[in-house]
Amino acid sequence: DIQMTQSPSSLSASVGDRVTITCRASQGISNSLAWFQQKPGKAPKSLIYAASSLQSGVPSKFSGSGSGTDFTLTISSLQPEDFATYYCQQYKSYPLTFGGGTKVEIK
Amino acid sequence: EVQLVESGGGLVQPGGSLRLSCEASGFTFSSYWMSWVRQAPGKGLEWVANINQGGSAQRYVDSVEGRFTISRDNAENSLFLQMNSLRAEDTAVYYCARVDDNSWGYFQHWGQGTLVTVSS
Repeated sequence: DIQMTQSPSSLSASVGDRVTITCRASQGISNSLAWFQQKPGKAPKSLIYAASSLQSGVPSKFSGSGSGTDFTLTISSLQPEDFATYYCQQYKSYPLTFGGGTKVEIK
Repeated sequence: EVQLVESGGGLVQPGGSLRLSCEASGFTFSSYWMSWVRQAPGKGLEWVANINQGGSAQRYVDSVEGRFTISRDNAENSLFLQMNSLRAEDTAVYYCARVDDNSWGYFQHWGQGTLVTVSS
């Protein structure tokens, strides 16, 4: 199974900050990586697929990069609505697996 | 607009069974792979099962293999998850998700979830 490791597991940031979250795969997954945002009590929302492609309707302050085993999600200027938990997911092979999540909190 | 609405969750005793449903609308249901993903209380996301467009191919995470069955009815635009021999560790919110047709395995759209609680 491909293990997905996110770091940090949580972070505190201020409105307007640039935030970067890292996701590492235990083996190469090419660009078969997605990012999701989840707010408390809500379903996950898709943000990024194919490592760097923005899902339709998602603001351009979100961006993704990476290939192989190392990936990043960047939020260029954190806004109040961005405080949430973020998950990466690989879809290179079964079983499809998620990272443990990164909780972005208000400083 | 893509809509996925899950139902069928509830409280069930260990060893019991439950059938979840997901009603899809706003897209051609029969053209997409579909999935179930779950989230235990306070925990992360876990993929559970996938099914192809025609229902002839299914894949499962090891922990549910042999106990859960994913199926679909394309005429009714519905996805199902039959869960048997339920265990306490199956307690979770279960989400129905549509898989993207270009980036296979990417959960492009999600339902709101239905809570399954396994407890005596």
